[in-house]
Amino acid sequence: AQRVTQPEKLLSVFKGAPVELKCNYSYSGSPELFWYVQYSRQRLQLLLRHISRESIKGFTADLNKGETSFHLKKPFAQEEDSAMYYCALDTGRRALTFGSGTRLQVQP
Amino acid sequence: DAMVIQNPRYQVTQFGKPVTLSCSQTLNHNVMYWYQQKSSQAPKLLFHYYDKDFNNEADTPDNFQSRRPNTSFCFLDIRSPGLGDAAMYLCATSRDYTDTQYFGPGTRLTVL
Repeated sequence: AQRVTQPEKLLSVFKGAPVELKCNYSYSGSPELFWYVQYSRQRLQLLLRHISRESIKGFTADLNKGETSFHLKKPFAQEEDSAMYYCALDTGRRALTFGSGTRLQVQP
Repeated sequence: DAMVIQNPRYQVTQFGKPVTLSCSQTLNHNVMYWYQQKSSQAPKLLFHYYDKDFNNEADTPDNFQSRRPNTSFCFLDIRSPGLGDAAMYLCATSRDYTDTQYFGPGTRLTVL
């Protein structure tokens, strides 16, 4: 069965520091991966998807099939990046499997 | 403008008392999803509709039902809520299965 693991419940960094939010998945086929973000008092929203290979708000994520990882990275964290981040996997079964999320706290 | 709307935002019910949660969308999307998210856990898909075709996840309890009377609205009915059903319920829509899912703000259900 497919699974998404986000090993860190909380990641705290200082403003300007690099950020890496870890995501590992298990799926034997060809996955499609996403990062969703939920800012305080806002709804869950798509941040980026791997097939787009784009950078959103300075964040990037590269799919590493060998390591089955899709880590989210940003070279310089900003206070407004503080939020809950969820990694999600679409195996083509018409549903997303979410990880349990990582709360990112960016301290001034 | 809100595109996926959920009502109410907070719902309190008593153990065993049926409750209905509502979701509406202005996006004219084909697919509507219901997720359950318990505290500190991942959102978990309960079921979804592609137009009027209903798709139930295998491990969704029978206590949970859904209705989609038209493209815009989808309802989640919990027939006999238990304490374990207290959670945030998220509605999402997408144009098609391969497209981005847009989430509503969620309804937080409390069961007394």
